Amino acid sequence: EDQVTQSPEALRLQEGESSSLNCSYTVSGLRGLFWYRQDPGKGPEFLFTLYSAGEEKEKERLKATLTKKESFLHITAPKPEDSATYLCAVRSGNNAGNMLTFGGGTRLMVKP
Amino acid sequence: NAGVTQTPKFQVLKTGQSMTLQCAQDMNHNSMYWYRQDPGMGLRLIYYSASEGTTDKGEVPNGYNVSRLNKREFSLRLESAAPSQTSVYFCASSEIGGNYEQYFGPGTRLTVT
Repeated sequence: EDQVTQSPEALRLQEGESSSLNCSYTVSGLRGLFWYRQDPGKGPEFLFTLYSAGEEKEKERLKATLTKKESFLHITAPKPEDSATYLCAVRSGNNAGNMLTFGGGTRLMVKP
Repeated sequence: NAGVTQTPKFQVLKTGQSMTLQCAQDMNHNSMYWYRQDPGMGLRLIYYSASEGTTDKGEVPNGYNVSRLNKREFSLRLESAAPSQTSVYFCASSEIGGNYEQYFGPGTRLTVT
């Protein structure tokens, strides 16, 4: 059974204070690790897909990295508009329907 | 290009009532999904449709039924609503192949009293 654990559950940062969010996973044959951003009252918004250990992807102040057991979402010099819940999900090789298993999310709050 | 749309946005039901949540996508995706999101539980898959004409159970299918009406539309039905079905429901779609990322609708907030 695929499992995804995100930590911390909540993170408070001051504007400009860089940090990282963690996503640990157990999966049978990783076929993709996905990061999403979710604003209150809205649906998740796709950010990145990572496929193999060592891969990195960047978008503005966000950089996602992947190892064989976990992924990190690094936030450099965050701004208040980066406040959101960040979700991590995995797709494994043992499902035919492209199903994703999601973690519980990290709620990020950036104060000015 | 609206992406994934869901109706209604909000709904209040009494225990035992039935309703259908509607979902449509205009991205020509083959696969569609229904999730529920509860505090502390994350997103859990209810049902999915890998392609038009097929549907399969996800992690939490009990109490729900689905219909893949055509390639664009995928509906979720609650036949006899229960308070445990109070949740936010999201529809998503994805292509087969490529990056496989799923694109989500805005959600339906359902309360069962």
